[in-house]
Amino acid sequence: QLVESGGGLVQPGGSLRLSCGASGFTFSMYWMTWVRQAPGKGLEWVANIEQEGRQTYYVDSVKGRFTISRDNAKNSLYLQMSGLRAEDTAVYYCARDLEHYNILTGSYNSDYYYGLDVWGQGTTVTVSS
Amino acid sequence: EIVLTQSPGTLSLSPGERATLACRASHSVSSTYVAWYQQKPGQAPRLLIYGASSRATGIPDRFRGSGSGTDFTLTISRLEPEDFAVYYCQHYGTSPRNTFGQGTKIEIK
Repeated sequence: QLVESGGGLVQPGGSLRLSCGASGFTFSMYWMTWVRQAPGKGLEWVANIEQEGRQTYYVDSVKGRFTISRDNAKNSLYLQMSGLRAEDTAVYYCARDLEHYNILTGSYNSDYYYGLDVWGQGTTVTVSS
Repeated sequence: EIVLTQSPGTLSLSPGERATLACRASHSVSSTYVAWYQQKPGQAPRLLIYGASSRATGIPDRFRGSGSGTDFTLTISRLEPEDFAVYYCQHYGTSPRNTFGQGTKIEIK
């Protein structure tokens, strides 16, 4: 299970830190991802992070403004957002990212992508003055 | 950068009918890096298909993914009432790491 928190109303240029608590699985084994969805719009992948937190990736529109991180001891994923803009208004979902891990066999295959298989319920971020 | 274009935007069908959803990539991609998701109103997305054609755990066999190169398809053989939702395709790549299509909504006719 994944539970997001930390959303809210923030002024343009402001900052916010989202959290995602994980339970029911070994958090440290998995990549984790943030995906957002603007009101009435489709899904947009935002960022992901590998198991130890050493590799991170971002969509271009948030590079330099957002930072994804994790604390495996606390089974928690974070998204630090700064320089927020109106276009960052969205529901933010955290998701377990299987990447190349076949959860059925417990093996890795870099030729396959196994998808985002567990999602939180989302937390809403509204950027407005 | 890979752009995924889904069509049609909206599909109006009746329960029991067959649904065919398309996802076209701007460049040829590996089929094993394509996934499909279902999202119902007010809910988080749910993984349906990975590797273009493998069903995720618990997904009924009326859902079938196929395709290669630039053209991928999600087929729902006989629509159940719970299948009326929005469907997204996704590509796992390098830059950006992941890309979603804009979605196809299946609505009740």
